Amino acid sequence: SQKIEQNSEALNIQEGKTATLTCNYTNYSPAYLQWYRQDPGRGPVFLLLIRENEKEKRKERLKVTFDTTLKQSLFHITASQPADSATYLCALDATGFQKLVFGTGTRLLVSP
Amino acid sequence: DVKVTQSSRYLVKRTGEKVFLECVQDMDHENMFWYRQDPGLGLRLIYFSYDVKMKEKGDIPEGYSVSREKKERFSLILESASTNQTSMYLCASSLAAGGTDTQYFGPGTRLTVL
Repeated sequence: SQKIEQNSEALNIQEGKTATLTCNYTNYSPAYLQWYRQDPGRGPVFLLLIRENEKEKRKERLKVTFDTTLKQSLFHITASQPADSATYLCALDATGFQKLVFGTGTRLLVSP
Repeated sequence: DVKVTQSSRYLVKRTGEKVFLECVQDMDHENMFWYRQDPGLGLRLIYFSYDVKMKEKGDIPEGYSVSREKKERFSLILESASTNQTSMYLCASSLAAGGTDTQYFGPGTRLTVL
């Protein structure tokens, strides 16, 4: 069956450290993978997109990698700040009609 | 900036009531989506639309219907609300085919059915 898996346990780190979140998928062949941020009681907000032929993508303190062999994406936040505390969702394109399939998200807590 | 608005942030309805959730986007996007989000289950697609008057069932359409009479507006209808439809409802929009399907979400409507 098709699955997208993100660690359901919250990730607790100290301010200034690098946070690394994982997204694994099974039985999908995505052309690209996206990461979104969601704050409590709010809708998700798009952060980054990485295509299947890209190994790595960066935007300010954010970095995403995409390994189609391992069927995995890693999302890094360097020099993390308490304001980075949120739930991070990965999403990939499903077949047909521009649909995205979302993982359940990983909650990140950055302590001062 | 793309803006997606939803008619209510919080809504309380009684079992059996007909419920309308409205979503409006201002970026001329072709595609619009309705999701519900529940703890531990993530975002689940209810219905989507890729053009005016067109609609496609998502993964959990039972108990819901939709309407898209104008490009910018996509409505979700609960014909007879039930307690298991208590959830956070999120609307999203995206550009047409050929794009990267990045979705822009509204702020969500937290619906409670008593």
